[in-house]
Amino acid sequence: GQQLNQSPQSMFIQEGEDVSMNCTSSSIFNTWLWYKQDPGEGPVLLIALYKAGELTSNGRLTAQFGITRKDSFLNISASIPSDVGIYFCAGQLAPGTYKYIFGTGTRLKVLA
Amino acid sequence: NAGVTQTPKFRILKIGQSMTLQCTQDMNHNYMYWYRQDPGMGLKLIYYSVGAGITDKGEVPNGYNVSRSTTEDFPLRLELAAPSQTSVYFCASSYDLSRDRDSYNEQFFGPGTRLTVL
Repeated sequence: GQQLNQSPQSMFIQEGEDVSMNCTSSSIFNTWLWYKQDPGEGPVLLIALYKAGELTSNGRLTAQFGITRKDSFLNISASIPSDVGIYFCAGQLAPGTYKYIFGTGTRLKVLA
Repeated sequence: NAGVTQTPKFRILKIGQSMTLQCTQDMNHNYMYWYRQDPGMGLKLIYYSVGAGITDKGEVPNGYNVSRSTTEDFPLRLELAAPSQTSVYFCASSYDLSRDRDSYNEQFFGPGTRLTVL
């Protein structure tokens, strides 16, 4: 089946640093979503993108829908300790299907 | 609103036992989903439902059954538990936005059920 390759798998960064992660696929997606999962909790939506080339911000988070529709990027600026968690991308294959393919996650650890 | 609630939070089963994972949402969402998350992996869709009385298979449905008799509830049944079903199970729900081609479909997740089969 379809796969989403997410990188890096994990990263340690210093508080205050900027973070970048990305998600790529061999398939074209109609919508990209970015979720964050805190330990012991379910994923929570951070940003949704539904047009190729779109750049959307949510506070210190910025995400982009790749122009080829096969990739997406998430950036976190000036990281803080509460940014710790697992970040997942998810792609929707076609409008109206409401089935998403999830990436394997990027585990972020912030060192104070 | 409580959102999406799941019970139990943790469960240990012996091989061959059966159990039902409960999921309830109070947001009047049409769509509901069951996912499993294996260690270090993303979420895999088990089953989903587009409304009461309608269910369909996802990527990994084998060994599971679901029912959707009401809008609020979407239980997941394991009939003969196997070690391969050790995982964290998440239920989610979302709005029906099928009339809007340019919209996305935000899924609201429950806190998960951690299941171990020994």
